[in-house]
Amino acid sequence: VQLAESGGGVVQPGRSLRLSCAASGLSFRSYGMQWVRQAPGRGLEWVAVIWYDGSKKYYVDSVKGRFTISRENSKNTVYLQMNSLRAEDTAVYYCATARGSYGDYGDHWGQGTLVTVSS
Amino acid sequence: QSALTQPPSASGSPGQSVTISCTGTSSDIGGYNYVSWYQQHPGKAPKLMIYEVTKRPSGVPDRFSGSKSGNTASLTVSGLQAEDEADYYCSSYAGTDIVFGTGTKVTVL
Repeated sequence: VQLAESGGGVVQPGRSLRLSCAASGLSFRSYGMQWVRQAPGRGLEWVAVIWYDGSKKYYVDSVKGRFTISRENSKNTVYLQMNSLRAEDTAVYYCATARGSYGDYGDHWGQGTLVTVSS
Repeated sequence: QSALTQPPSASGSPGQSVTISCTGTSSDIGGYNYVSWYQQHPGKAPKLMIYEVTKRPSGVPDRFSGSKSGNTASLTVSGLQAEDEADYYCSSYAGTDIVFGTGTKVTVL
């Protein structure tokens, strides 16, 4: 199983960025997927999860209304659209599988992509 | 949701055991049997060590074990080895969200 994130970079506050995560080696359409971030020198923070069929999506309060998680099962890819970015969104963003009855654990993780929000 | 509370650090000599606690509330750890533990080495992605409180993914040594009592979960690493030195994070399902712990740095003396 491989998960490969892309789309990170440096962006000004208030601007947008879209992250992608391409999956291989698994039956992607059967897996829930999630995004987890880690600010420099800090701990892990769950960001969002999407059900295997896209029917349910949940977000951490701090990104609600600004971030959108989506997926294209035909491309084995999950996305994170990030709008109205803030300095506090600066972090390494990991995509991971979301397994269990409620997408409560991730058994496969990507290597992460760094997002830096700075003027 | 507030982060789950973990001790900042823990340590032990090779061969010894170390136990890390993870304290939440009845809205997360106490309300569900969906606690996970992750190991993270510097500059690397997290690795799943325990899920659903006590289950080990294939490939994870049985030196790693999990438990829960009330609003507190625990990870025990028995027979400490040098490669166990890492940061460890707990997480719990919390209704619709997932909440992570504050993280514990384990040092092998």
